Amino acid sequence: QSVLTQPPSVSAAPGQKVTISCSGSSSNIENNYVSWYQQLPGTAPKLLIYENNKRPSGIPDRFSGSKSGTSATLAITGLQTGDEAGYYCGTWDSRLSAPHYVFGTGTKVTVL
Amino acid sequence: QVQLVQSGTEVKKPGASVKVSCKASGYNFTKYGISWVRQAPGQGLEWMGWISAYNGNTNYAQGRVTLTTDTSTSTAYMELWSLRSDDTAVYYCATSPGLRRVYYLDHWGQGTLVTVSS
Repeated sequence: QSVLTQPPSVSAAPGQKVTISCSGSSSNIENNYVSWYQQLPGTAPKLLIYENNKRPSGIPDRFSGSKSGTSATLAITGLQTGDEAGYYCGTWDSRLSAPHYVFGTGTKVTVL
Repeated sequence: QVQLVQSGTEVKKPGASVKVSCKASGYNFTKYGISWVRQAPGQGLEWMGWISAYNGNTNYAQGRVTLTTDTSTSTAYMELWSLRSDDTAVYYCATSPGLRRVYYLDHWGQGTLVTVSS
């Protein structure tokens, strides 16, 4: 199972704001950059946020990321029906025994 | 623009192996690494490993996997051995900036469904 914990689901009405938390530890989130991915139903994941709070070109500023200590947060403002998707955090886990990349457990966003 | 095109659906029997390809275009193939990620039906994302297209260095999250690249054709390969039913999943390749480790996965292939069934 994943070492990064996310809430299974969040929901809000169109136009509202949702936040998704990603909880980790000192071997991953606290000392490495966090990225966020959006997976629309039946499609490949897409990079939303990288290096904690940077958006690739084409990603609207309704999506924002932040990090504090061993946790990270994705915020989506002005929620739209097209935002209904799965969202995953990801980061490097630099434990000495077996460093590797890890994803969060995933969060389903529902627009009411 | 960056494109990753993966090979098609595979159906395999338990104990067999499968090799999935990922052909890259639109960028200098050797400048980035390639990560492989899988997603079992109804489940989350699982990172499997990474290979540097620059020097062939690898990092694996699990055994039974071999990652390779062919720089002459800008193609990455993921081979999974001793298949089990719980290897049934969609397998994705994705570009990973960085020469020594994964920072993020910025461009993704369309996915390849591998079904393991007797």
